[in-house]
Amino acid sequence: NAGVMQNPRHLVRRRGQEARLRCSPVKGHSHVYWYRQLPEEGLKFMVYLQKENIIDESGMPKERFSAEFPKEGPSILRIQQVVRGDSAAYFCASSPSPSVNTEAFFGQGTRLTVV
Amino acid sequence: GENVEQHPSTLSVQEGDSAVIKCTYSDSASNYFPWYKQELGKRPQLIIDIRSNVGEKKDQRIAVTLNKTAKHFSLHITETQPEDSAVYFCAASIGETSGSRLTFGEGTQLTVNP
Repeated sequence: NAGVMQNPRHLVRRRGQEARLRCSPVKGHSHVYWYRQLPEEGLKFMVYLQKENIIDESGMPKERFSAEFPKEGPSILRIQQVVRGDSAAYFCASSPSPSVNTEAFFGQGTRLTVV
Repeated sequence: GENVEQHPSTLSVQEGDSAVIKCTYSDSASNYFPWYKQELGKRPQLIIDIRSNVGEKKDQRIAVTLNKTAKHFSLHITETQPEDSAVYFCAASIGETSGSRLTFGEGTQLTVNP
């Protein structure tokens, strides 16, 4: 599962700036999931994407957050006008298909710090 | 939606003892239950999983049991070692339309004392 690549590993942004987090899934995987982990908490689902489609964004905050997974290139999680409460680890996971009981492989995460 | 509760939040054992972590879930449609180990500052790593058509699964010192009727599942680690110290997360997934979307428990900080 080392194939899920996230960058940057660490990102520092000032309040009000934009944060762009990138995720390249395991080669051949067309399904990407983003999770957020606040300090000392569990992972919370944010969004599930397939190539060029958002399948489930029920975990995404209504404002400032967006995600995409274009036909070419990595999936991008974008946070506009960041606030201190956005400081967290953001993990991306990929799987080969939406079939039942498919293991999701996690990337190393991006640790966002808002100062 | 699905809700997963995990207990205990912290667990301290002596090296060589067993450790048990329990989770309950709310959605009877959930059919896939993985357990992840997360060391400080690292990504969650799958250590074992179980599917709803199986009641128990074992892999060396790690075992997981599933009770579908009661909607709970447990992780058992035997002969614990200091390197087992980490945060352990249970999760549940409905699969199918949800793909591999996982609902996680809040985690258990396991400390194995030498």
